[in-house]
Amino acid sequence: EADIYQTPRYLVIGTGKKITLECSQTMGHDKMYWYQQDPGMELHLIHYSYGVNSTEKGDLSSESTVSRIRTEHFPLTLESARPSHTSQYLCASTPLGTGGEETQYFGPGTRLLVL
Amino acid sequence: GDSVTQMEGPVTLSEEAFLTINCTYTATGYPSLFWYVQYPGEGLQLLLKATKADDKGSNKGFEATYRKETTSFHLEKGSVQVSDSAVYFCALSDTRGGNKLTFGTGTQLKVEL
Repeated sequence: EADIYQTPRYLVIGTGKKITLECSQTMGHDKMYWYQQDPGMELHLIHYSYGVNSTEKGDLSSESTVSRIRTEHFPLTLESARPSHTSQYLCASTPLGTGGEETQYFGPGTRLLVL
Repeated sequence: GDSVTQMEGPVTLSEEAFLTINCTYTATGYPSLFWYVQYPGEGLQLLLKATKADDKGSNKGFEATYRKETTSFHLEKGSVQVSDSAVYFCALSDTRGGNKLTFGTGTQLKVEL
C-alpha cells in the first residue's frame, strides 16, 4: 500500500478564498505530480516536480501554483478560488528513474467544491 | 504526441461474465503500458503493467498483453465479481523520459449480481 497522503479529503469554500491542498509521501520519492480529474473521470496533469526546488507546469494550464521545499511535501495553492476550480485533485509520486517503467503511486484525492 | 484511446463506458456485466476493455495507443517511441483502477472515493492504484512488446501483465485475475503490431493493451478478466466495479484507466509512459503518464479517458465497469 502506498504511503501518500492528501488533506483535506473534501473542501467546500467560497469564491475568492485562498486554499492550499496538501500532499505528503513517506516513500522518499523524488518525482511528484498533481492531476486534476474531471467529473467525467478524465485525468489532466497540471504540475510535476523532479525533486526539491524543481517544479514544472503540466499539460493542462492551471491557475494553481506548487512548491517543493522538502522531498516529502508537494502542496498546491489556489490564490483565489473560483467555481471553475471545482474538481478532484490527485497527487502522485514515483521513485527517480529513467526507464519509464516506474509505477506512480496515488493519494486518495481532494474533492474541491467552490461556491 | 503520445495518446491513449480506450473504449467508452459504462460497461455493465453480470457476475462471472468475461470482461474486455479495449485500449490502443499512439507513441513515437517504446513506452511502458499500464492499467490503473480507481474504486469509488479513492485515488488510482496500479493494476498491472508491461514494459516491452509481447510482455503480459497480470494481477488479481486481470491480464493485458503489450501488442506492438496492433499498438494495443486490452484488459481482460475471465470472470468478473461485483467487487471489480470501478473505473479502469489505460496509460502509457512518456517516451521522452521523465515518468509522465498519458492516460485514457477511463472506462467505468459495473458488475451486477
